[in-house]
Amino acid sequence: SQTIHQWPATLVQPVGSPLSLECTVEGTSNPNLYWYRQAAGRGLQLLFYSVGIGQISSEVPQNLSASRPQDRQFILSSKKLLLSDSGFYLCAWSGAGSTGELFFGEGSRLTVL
Amino acid sequence: DAKTTQPPSMDCAEGRAANLPCNHSTISGNEYVYWYRQIHSQGPQYIIHGLKNNETNEMASLIITEDRKSSTLILPHATLRDTAVYYCIVRVAGTGGFKTIFGAGTRLFVKA
Repeated sequence: SQTIHQWPATLVQPVGSPLSLECTVEGTSNPNLYWYRQAAGRGLQLLFYSVGIGQISSEVPQNLSASRPQDRQFILSSKKLLLSDSGFYLCAWSGAGSTGELFFGEGSRLTVL
Repeated sequence: DAKTTQPPSMDCAEGRAANLPCNHSTISGNEYVYWYRQIHSQGPQYIIHGLKNNETNEMASLIITEDRKSSTLILPHATLRDTAVYYCIVRVAGTGGFKTIFGAGTRLFVKA
């Protein structure tokens, strides 16, 4: 069966520090991968999605970036965090041969101080 | 942009059916209706999706009107663990990195 893992689960970082969140999917090949962010009490905002290695589409301008160095690995990064980057970050995947339903990881809660 | 309209919140008594409505009057012929739910501090969970026929699985039933401009998610016997935010989404199905955009959803409170 397919599984998705994110880490770290929680992170407290000072303003201006770098960020790296990692997501891996197991049990499937060539998945579509997504990063979402959810600010406290708000809805989910799509940040990035990827249909293959090295192929990244950005949905909103920001100081975050994403990379997909391997088929089932998706990384969210920042060189310098802002207070507004605090939130709940969720990685998701959908199958290349599916009808598009998304499966989410456990999430990474980031607090920028 | 989200293309659906849902009530912000609803209450339901435990053991009763929860009927969550969704309006999607601008839905295109190739767009499916998807439902997800998000329990506090967890990632959203896929529930069900459909095109034009009613669908049922172990979690819920999806009723889509004949003109496809609205739908209802039915949880037949709601439990306290069904308290969550429920999202109705319309999008094209299939591969190619089609984006899934979440709106505000409906916060369902199941009460004992």
